[in-house]
Amino acid sequence: GENVEQHPSTLSVQEGDSAVIKCTYSDSASNYFPWYKQELGKGPQLIIDIRSNVGEKKDQRIAVTLNKTAKHFSLHITETQPEDSAVYFCAASRGDYKLSFGAGTTVTVRA
Amino acid sequence: NAGVMQNPRHLVRRRGQEARLRCSPMKGHSHVYWYRQLPEEGLKFMVYLQKENIIDESGMPKERFSAEFPKEGPSILRIQQVVRGDSAAYFCASSPPGVNTGELFFGEGSRLTVL
Repeated sequence: GENVEQHPSTLSVQEGDSAVIKCTYSDSASNYFPWYKQELGKGPQLIIDIRSNVGEKKDQRIAVTLNKTAKHFSLHITETQPEDSAVYFCAASRGDYKLSFGAGTTVTVRA
Repeated sequence: NAGVMQNPRHLVRRRGQEARLRCSPMKGHSHVYWYRQLPEEGLKFMVYLQKENIIDESGMPKERFSAEFPKEGPSILRIQQVVRGDSAAYFCASSPPGVNTGELFFGEGSRLTVL
């Protein structure tokens, strides 16, 4: 099955700086890569996703890049704000419901 | 708010008791998925259901766990004879009818604690 590894496990950044989270996957048939943000006591919320036919996607301060050859994808958050503090999960699937999640990155934005 | 609704949000059970977790999908969604999140880990797929049908239960433990999505009412995840290792957050997700493209909408979860 799919194995998704996520790094780092914790990330502390100064407000206004950028945050980068990286994930690798093992299943070359995976073609859908969503990113979820989970706040304390809440469920995961989809913040951005990318499919394998594109290499980069951007939505305001959030961007995701995908390198299919190397089987890795990354989340970039620019101009971080305190409300960006949360646990972020990457995931991969073959374009269906069976998402394989990374172990999560706890992001703390220092004011 | 027509999001995925789960209840109870928190549930405490003693070893050997039964736990029942409920999930109502988003309005217009007919596919329901259950995922489990152990402490400090990512979510893991358990089961995929449509109305009155279990489509894929490959992630469900073979014993003590069962799920249903009846014609009327919410989906239910049932854990019999709970053990401490069942303590986790259980998340339900839903998606609209038709071919699933991977976009899942998660509820806020039910956190089970087994004493």
